[in-house]
Amino acid sequence: AQKITQTQPGMFVQEKEAVTLDCTYDTSDQSYGLFWYKQPSSGEMIFLIYQGSYDEQNATEGRYSLNFQKARKSANLVISASQLGDSAMYFCAMREPGVNSGGSNYKLTFGKGTLLTVNP
Amino acid sequence: DTGVSQNPRHKITKRGQNVTFRCDPISEHNRLYWYRQTLGQGPEFLTYFQNEAQLEKSRLLSDRFSAERPKGSFSTLEIQRTEQGDSAMYLCASSLRDTHRDTQYFGPGTRLTVL
Repeated sequence: AQKITQTQPGMFVQEKEAVTLDCTYDTSDQSYGLFWYKQPSSGEMIFLIYQGSYDEQNATEGRYSLNFQKARKSANLVISASQLGDSAMYFCAMREPGVNSGGSNYKLTFGKGTLLTVNP
Repeated sequence: DTGVSQNPRHKITKRGQNVTFRCDPISEHNRLYWYRQTLGQGPEFLTYFQNEAQLEKSRLLSDRFSAERPKGSFSTLEIQRTEQGDSAMYLCASSLRDTHRDTQYFGPGTRLTVL
């Protein structure tokens, strides 16, 4: 079963508008972390934002915010005031315990990504 | 302040050849990870080091793959007897344990093409 589901293969948004990228996850752990990364065509994965499972407030980092709904197991990324440079693949990821973690979470499991295109 | 670096950025090889990739993590980071990303997919976990100890290998990592991190600094990933199915982007990441987020920062990747 997929642990991270990103249902939008592609999204389009007009420059300066806001866009929401969906992410749902599946875990039975109480302690986990959720991340969003951006991957431009150059290939590098760029960290955007983090939400811990025990964090009570939704995370924000500049124009990025994370709409965390724990009961629904969703962690949607909201990008406000889109810019042309935001055009890229966006990946949602969950950090979960590995085999030899001893309770320490470290492995990232990624979704398949959403390709965002910002139109001028 | 330098981020994670990887060399080479691109590697083209013939089937059956051995290849080795290098990753230099952010200097104070004690955790290092290797992931593989194929076209149209998200990265998949391959292996994880804490300092010099390799604590987990994914079942994706066949016996042809070996990774090392001598002295807990840089890491190498070697693929022996490459196959066309090994063609992918190999990503390295590092993080600092004991921080709240333990965020993994990625390098630019090594794109491997096996002919």
